Amino acid sequence: EPEVTQTPSHQVTQMGQEVILRCVPISNHLYFYWYRQILGQKVEFLVSFYNNEISEKSEIFDDQFSVERPDGSNFTLKIRSTKLEDSAMYFCASRDPRGVRYGYTFGSGTRLTVV
Amino acid sequence: AQTVTQSQPEMSVQEAETVTLSCTYDTSESDYYLFWYKQPPSRQMILVIRQEAYKQQNATENRFSVNFQKAAKSFSLKISDSQLGDAAMYFCAYRSATYNTDKLIFGTGTRLQVFP
Repeated sequence: EPEVTQTPSHQVTQMGQEVILRCVPISNHLYFYWYRQILGQKVEFLVSFYNNEISEKSEIFDDQFSVERPDGSNFTLKIRSTKLEDSAMYFCASRDPRGVRYGYTFGSGTRLTVV
Repeated sequence: AQTVTQSQPEMSVQEAETVTLSCTYDTSESDYYLFWYKQPPSRQMILVIRQEAYKQQNATENRFSVNFQKAAKSFSLKISDSQLGDAAMYFCAYRSATYNTDKLIFGTGTRLQVFP
């Protein structure tokens, strides 16, 4: 079954450093997303991306965050200057182009630890 | 704004027994989608089952079924013949059917333990 692949599985970074989280969505999917889950809390929407632009973003997704699809296969989330509170599990997801009823497929996540 | 509530932080079930996880949501919309996702210790989010609000028939996927009560805004998940591999965090999620939003709104989750 097709998978969404995320790398790395775990990243440790120093506060103030830039990090890039990488995702390879399912190849025929057109809609891409980032969600985050702070330890022990619920999964929160960050951003959705379609046709090479952001289609929706949450209040969490401020100027320190950016997304891009640089080469038609990878989908990246960049955090420019990490803060301690950015420590969380970050999930990439993509959606079947046939429609919402076919569901969203999530990757295994990247655990980001900011020290 | 829509909200999703899972009132059971933890549940437990004996292997081979049946367990029901509850989920309620608040919305003023008439058309939407509801999902249950499973998150095992590996942390991956796995789709368990989905329901479209306009369908009255409850969705079923093998041992997993839902009780969708639209008027009550309730969407419970029933797991029959529970297996050790069912132990995980279960999240209920809502997605509007309108075209101006494409995000999933998650509940806080229910941790399910399965005892042999």
